[in-house]
Amino acid sequence: AQSVTQPDIHITVSEGASLELRCNYSYGATPYLFWYVQSPGQGLQLLLKYFSGDTLVQGIKGFEAEFKRSQSSFNLRKPSVHWSDAAEYFCAVAPSSNTGKLIFGQGTTLQVKP
Amino acid sequence: DTEVTQTPKHLVMGMTNKKSLKCEQHMGHRAMYWYKQKAKKPPELMFVYSYEKLSINESVPSRFSPECPNSSLLNLHLHALQPEDSALYLCASSQERESLNEQFFGPGTRLTVL
Repeated sequence: AQSVTQPDIHITVSEGASLELRCNYSYGATPYLFWYVQSPGQGLQLLLKYFSGDTLVQGIKGFEAEFKRSQSSFNLRKPSVHWSDAAEYFCAVAPSSNTGKLIFGQGTTLQVKP
Repeated sequence: DTEVTQTPKHLVMGMTNKKSLKCEQHMGHRAMYWYKQKAKKPPELMFVYSYEKLSINESVPSRFSPECPNSSLLNLHLHALQPEDSALYLCASSQERESLNEQFFGPGTRLTVL
């Protein structure tokens, strides 16, 4: 069965420092992969997605992610974190191309220190 | 307009009450979704509507009854809920049901069942 694992439940970084959030997936075919962010009291917002092609994907708010098939990973990165990036981050996989169903990882809470 | 609106923002109900959650989008999207999110957990898919027809029901108890009266509106009717149903209920929409389409999320309705 398809699954998504986010190994880090909680991460704290200093403002201006770089960030990497890890995501590993279990999937038999070429996956559709997503990163969403959820600020407190808000719905989810899509940061970026990967379907095929270039394995380095650029997203909104200065985020990028790299798909590594050999490691079954889709890690999210940002070179310099801002205080407003503090939020919950979810990696997700779509198990098929035409159902709209998303399977989310458990999430990583990002705290930003001033 | 890239907004999904949900009403009410908060709802407290007893186990014998009947209430409804409402979701609206005016982006011309033809797929709409209900998710349930418990505290500190990822969203879990409940229902998917495509072109106003129910296409996925993730084995949700019958005390939750979805309805899609038109392409812009999605309701979730609640009856005889249990305290464990207390959660944030998120609505989302996408252009089509295909997974490559971004899902736009509303801010959610926080439901408390007493």
